[in-house]
Amino acid sequence: GQQLNQSPQSMFIQEGEDVSMNCTSSSIFNTWLWYKQEPGEGPVLLIALYKAGELTSNGRLTAQFGITRKDSFLNISASIPSDVGIYFCAGGTNFGNEKLTFGTGTRLTIIP
Amino acid sequence: TAGITQAPTSQILAAGRSMTLRCTQDMRHNAMYWYRQDLGLGLRLIHYSNTAGTTGKGEVPDGYSVSRANTDDFPLTLASAVPSQTSVYFCASSESDMNTEAFFGQGTRLTVV
Repeated sequence: GQQLNQSPQSMFIQEGEDVSMNCTSSSIFNTWLWYKQEPGEGPVLLIALYKAGELTSNGRLTAQFGITRKDSFLNISASIPSDVGIYFCAGGTNFGNEKLTFGTGTRLTIIP
Repeated sequence: TAGITQAPTSQILAAGRSMTLRCTQDMRHNAMYWYRQDLGLGLRLIHYSNTAGTTGKGEVPDGYSVSRANTDDFPLTLASAVPSQTSVYFCASSESDMNTEAFFGQGTRLTVV
């Protein structure tokens, strides 16, 4: 199957700092999604991107669909304690029965 | 709004026993999915169903079976559990198989001993 490289694997930042994480792929995706997972919960969709070059915001979160369609990044501005969790990128092709491919996640820890 | 409900929340299962993980959605989504989540490996697709009455194999289907008798329910069965099936299992759904925005349940933590 397709592989998504997500980095960094983990981040330790101070409250108020900005956060940046990204996903890269060796193949093209038509959709990029970003999810957040908190302990004991399922992933929750944060942002969906459907067009190469698209830049979309959701509150303090901003995500971009890379122009090559092989990458995406997620930024969180002015982090707060409730931002703690694991962030996953996911790529979709919409081709036939190909389903979402997920990255391995970025674990975000915030130091008060 | 319930969304997607999974049961049980957690289970300890003896190796060799069978078990069915339940998943129900109330969003009338056509497509449903089962993923397993393991440390360092992210979410891997086990089986999926594009619409009621159809199913397909994902990345890691061996040892699992599914059925989709109606739109709302998508149970996952382990016929004879093995320790390597210890994982957290997530059910998800999306409006259609071409709309890849998937919504997830809260997960079932399964330990096979």
